[in-house]
Formats: sequence, C-alpha cells, structure tokens
Amino acid sequence: AQSVTQLDSQVPVFEEAPVELRCNYSSSVSVYLFWYVQYPNQGLQLLLKYLSGSTLVKGINGFEAEFNKSQTSFHLRKPSVHISDTAEYFCAVIRGGGGNKLTFGTGTQLKVEL
Amino acid sequence: EAQVTQNPRYLITVTGKKLTVTCSQNMNHEYMSWYRQDPGLGLRQIYYSMNVEVTDKGDVPEGYKVSRKEKRNFPLILESPSPNQTSLYFCASSPQGARETQYFGPGTRLLVL
Repeated sequence: AQSVTQLDSQVPVFEEAPVELRCNYSSSVSVYLFWYVQYPNQGLQLLLKYLSGSTLVKGINGFEAEFNKSQTSFHLRKPSVHISDTAEYFCAVIRGGGGNKLTFGTGTQLKVEL
Repeated sequence: EAQVTQNPRYLITVTGKKLTVTCSQNMNHEYMSWYRQDPGLGLRQIYYSMNVEVTDKGDVPEGYKVSRKEKRNFPLILESPSPNQTSLYFCASSPQGARETQYFGPGTRLLVL
C-alpha cells in the first residue's frame, strides 16, 4: 500500500520569506513523487516531479523539492515567496513498477501575507 | 487551445436521479482520470483509463461508472447518486500515464440532496 502525508494543513508566511511544505510517503517499493498546485477556483497544475536521477528537482515558479529516500520525504521549498503563491499545494505519489494510480495527500494551504 | 473541458460546471440533483458528467480533451492524450476533492481529504482517484475501452478502478470507485468509447471523451456516470457523493470532481488527462504531467479540467461541483 502507498500513502502520502502532508504534515501541515495550513502554512502562513510573510511575503519574501522562505517556505517549506512537508511531504512524507510510505511505500515498500520505489515511487514517483509529484507536487501539484491549485490556485483558488481552478484545477490543479504540476509544479514538479521526481521520477529518477538527481534528488533535487526544480519546478516552475521558483519551487524546488528534494527526494530523501532514507527519510521517505519529498519536501517542497521556495527561498522567497510572493503573494501570488497563495494556493493549496498537494503532494502525490505513484508506486514504481508501472502503476497508474495516483495517490494525493490532503493538501497544504499556503497563505502569503504582506 | 489545449484544454480539458468538463460539463456541467455546477449541478444540483436529488438522491437516485442518474447523472453524467462529461469530460473531453483535445490533446490526443491516451490517459484520462477522474478525481473527487473533499475538504480535509485532498483528491482521491475514482477511475482512470489508459486508452479506448481500457478502464481501471482508482481508490474510490464505488457508486461510479465510466466508459471510454472515444479517445477524447471520458464521462463519469452516477447511476444512483447519494448525498455522500456531494463533492468537487476533476477530470484530468496526460499523454501516456499518471507519471506524466496531468492536465486538469476546471472542475464540476456536485450537490446531491
């Protein structure tokens, strides 16, 4: 079985401050990991993904994430956030080996304040 | 414009009245999927399809049906809706599978009374 845990349901942060959104997964096999963002009243869009290779993954809008196999984590970071980053962020996982079931975490609401 | 469209965007219905939510993509994608989004639960996959006439269950398929008769369309059918199916539904597609970037539709908000 696979699951993904997002430890924080809400993260408030001031504009231009750094932010880290946490994601941990549980799986006994290799995994593929994703971060999706949902802006208010919109569908989701992909920020970044880890399939293999370098454990540091860079995505759109200045976000990056690091795959840490020993800690089973895939935390999302941005060194300096902007008001426009206010959104809900979802971590998601697919079990390696050819599966196509995508399991999402419960989401983290990032609220950027002036 | 490349996009995933869903209809209707909003729907209020009553328990037991069959309904269909349509999903269409114009990107010639092989893979399509349906999700429901509920507060505190994130998104959960209902069904997905790898190609025409190939569908498979996600994590919460009970109470739903799908069909994939054409590559571009992937309708979600609720044969006898119940109040616990009140939710926000998203359709998504990708070129060849869930490992690739999925493109999401705008969502369908369903209320079952």
